[in-house]
Amino acid sequence: NAGVTQTPKFQVLKTGQSMTLQCAQDMNHEYMSWYRQDPGMGLRLIHYSVGAGITDQGEVPNGYNVSRSTTEDFPLRLLSAAPSQTSVYFCASSFTENTEAFFGQGTRLTVV
Amino acid sequence: AQSVTQLDSQVPVFEEAPVELRCNYSSSVSVYLFWYVQYPNQGLQLLLKYLSGSTLVKGINGFEAEFNKSQTSFHLRKPSVHISDTAEYFCAVSDYSGGGSNYKLTFGKGTLLTVNP
Repeated sequence: NAGVTQTPKFQVLKTGQSMTLQCAQDMNHEYMSWYRQDPGMGLRLIHYSVGAGITDQGEVPNGYNVSRSTTEDFPLRLLSAAPSQTSVYFCASSFTENTEAFFGQGTRLTVV
Repeated sequence: AQSVTQLDSQVPVFEEAPVELRCNYSSSVSVYLFWYVQYPNQGLQLLLKYLSGSTLVKGINGFEAEFNKSQTSFHLRKPSVHISDTAEYFCAVSDYSGGGSNYKLTFGKGTLLTVNP
C-alpha cells in the first residue's frame, strides 16, 4: 500500500525555471492538499482540492498552479521559480474533512 | 478565518518527565482538531484527533489531549516521555462550514519537543 507518493524527493532549480512536483495517492481519497514547510512557519496551505475537477487557493497560492484531472493525482506547478520558493513541500490526502490526513515524504526544493 | 497558535516553539524535557504542549485555536464554526508528529526528515503522521464526544482523546504512543471549548484549547500531554518522542509536533484545525469547497486544514507553527537523557 503506497499511500501518498511525492516525486522528486530533492530538486534544485535556477531562478525563472518552471517545474512540476508530482503527488499521487492510491487510497481513493477525495481531499488533497499541498503545503510548504519553512522553519518557524509550520505548514502553510498552498492549494487544495475536494475532488476531481475542483481546486481552490489556500493561504500562499501565488506562484503556484494546480489541477486535478483524476482522483489519484494532484500535481503542483511552479510557473517561474523564485528563491522565496525554496522550501519543503508536502502533499496530503484524506477521505473526508474529519479523517486522518496522510502525508507524502516531502520534496525539498532549492531555488538558486 | 481559522487560526492555530502553538504557544511554545521549543520544549526541552528530561526523559520520564511529563510534558504538555499547548495549542489554542480560533474559529467561528464547529471544528475538528488534530495533533500530528513529524520525525526528522519525514512526513507528518497522526497522533490523535477530536471530532466530537468525550473531550479527552487518547492517541498513539501514550499521548492524550483534552478539548476545552470555552478556552478554545487542545493541549497535548504525555505523563512520561522517552528519548524516541523527540520530534516536532503540530496542532491542526479543520473547520467545515458546509459545502466541500470550504474544507481547510490549518496547522500551527509547531513545537519542537526535545527529550534529554
